[in-house]
Amino acid sequence: EVQLLESGGGLVQPGGSLRLSCAASGFSFSSYAMSWVRQAPGKGLEWVSGISAGGDSTYYADSVKGRFTTSRDNSKNTLYLEMSSLSAEDTAVYYCAKVSSNSPYWGQGTLVTVSS
Amino acid sequence: DIQMTQSPSSLSASVGDRVTITCRASQGIRNYLAWFQQKPGKAPKSLIYAASSLQSGVPSKFSGSGSGTDFTLTIGSLQPEDFATYYCQQYNSYPLTFGGGTKVEIK
Repeated sequence: EVQLLESGGGLVQPGGSLRLSCAASGFSFSSYAMSWVRQAPGKGLEWVSGISAGGDSTYYADSVKGRFTTSRDNSKNTLYLEMSSLSAEDTAVYYCAKVSSNSPYWGQGTLVTVSS
Repeated sequence: DIQMTQSPSSLSASVGDRVTITCRASQGIRNYLAWFQQKPGKAPKSLIYAASSLQSGVPSKFSGSGSGTDFTLTIGSLQPEDFATYYCQQYNSYPLTFGGGTKVEIK
């Protein structure tokens, strides 16, 4: 069974930083590109970032470029999202997702709240 | 960037109705299109990938069609558990993009 388990969310002050993790199991993690997708309260889904299977290529939405960094450790089957210079507009549930290939899967999400 | 336009943004339907949701891409995406269902407070659930392939475990009342720029999701015989918001998403190229969602409500 495919499982994607996010962690690391929480309350952070504006201008602060946070690191999210996503532990993957049930599929060949190192064979697939992965993404982070977020959903602000009451809003639709917004793709945030993607990373190739080997980790050599990364992609970012304009809204987070220069502030967020995606990485992965295929030896640990784990995906990461480093977020900095956070603002209220970054408040959302962040999902780890295998959505850039066939047979997509989603994690359960982790809430990031940016507030003073 | 490829824009994904979903319609309608909401609809009201009755139990037993057949429902069709459309998704249009601003440029051709071959068949690299997925459909997701999301209920309040829950993560999205995969329904369809490659425009028409049913995700494992998803009932056959869900079906998808289309290629290029125009796609449809059809739900046959709507049941109470199907009332939710549905999203399309293209994975032809980065940045990946989602439609704005279609909220299916009970009439």
